Amino acid sequence: DGGITQSPKYLFRKEGQNVTLSCEQNLNHDAMYWYRQDPGQGLRLIYYSQIVNDFQKGDIAEGYSVSREKKESFPLTVTSAQKNPTAFYLCASSTQGPTSGANVLTFGAGSRLTVL
Amino acid sequence: RKEVEQDPGPFNVPEGATVAFNCTYSNSASQSFFWYRQDCRKEPKLLMSVYSSGNEDGRFTAQLNRASQYISLLIRDSKLSDSATYLCVVNYYTGGFKTIFGAGTRLFVKA
Repeated sequence: DGGITQSPKYLFRKEGQNVTLSCEQNLNHDAMYWYRQDPGQGLRLIYYSQIVNDFQKGDIAEGYSVSREKKESFPLTVTSAQKNPTAFYLCASSTQGPTSGANVLTFGAGSRLTVL
Repeated sequence: RKEVEQDPGPFNVPEGATVAFNCTYSNSASQSFFWYRQDCRKEPKLLMSVYSSGNEDGRFTAQLNRASQYISLLIRDSKLSDSATYLCVVNYYTGGFKTIFGAGTRLFVKA
């Protein structure tokens, strides 16, 4: 079955450490996204990529970095510069990308990061 | 003011009840609209798109009112399995399309 795989599902990190969250999709989607979800708030866009080797900052990119070396993969690194990294991180993909008004997102199961 | 606003709830309803969710959006240039469902500690999943003429999918009916800038979702004959958070999603154009998620409305359906 096609889908999006995120790993790890749960991750604990000490302050000052960088962590990388994996996102792999086999849907053949061009566009991929990273969102962050905090209690009582809507999903907020961190980064997105419409094509291999290209990505754009979202609304809350500070303290995060991404790469898109392969169509299937879009890993997110949460750096020590991110002031409040504890959150639920969701990776998504879509066929049409954010330039399409009818963009429908498919999400992975998420990674829950806790900073100790 | 948030770009997409929803009543956070929670809504507690008995099985078989009809429940309505409303969502308002601030950008009049909004182009497309969706409802997603998110179960506790899980990822959001597309429930249905919302079309200008309104649309129905089984027990679910979505409506769009562009003049008043709100979207609604009606669930008839609620089931226990409908318990979840319902997210309103709006796409609008601002030099590129932007997808905005509401914070969601939590629904509990009780036996």
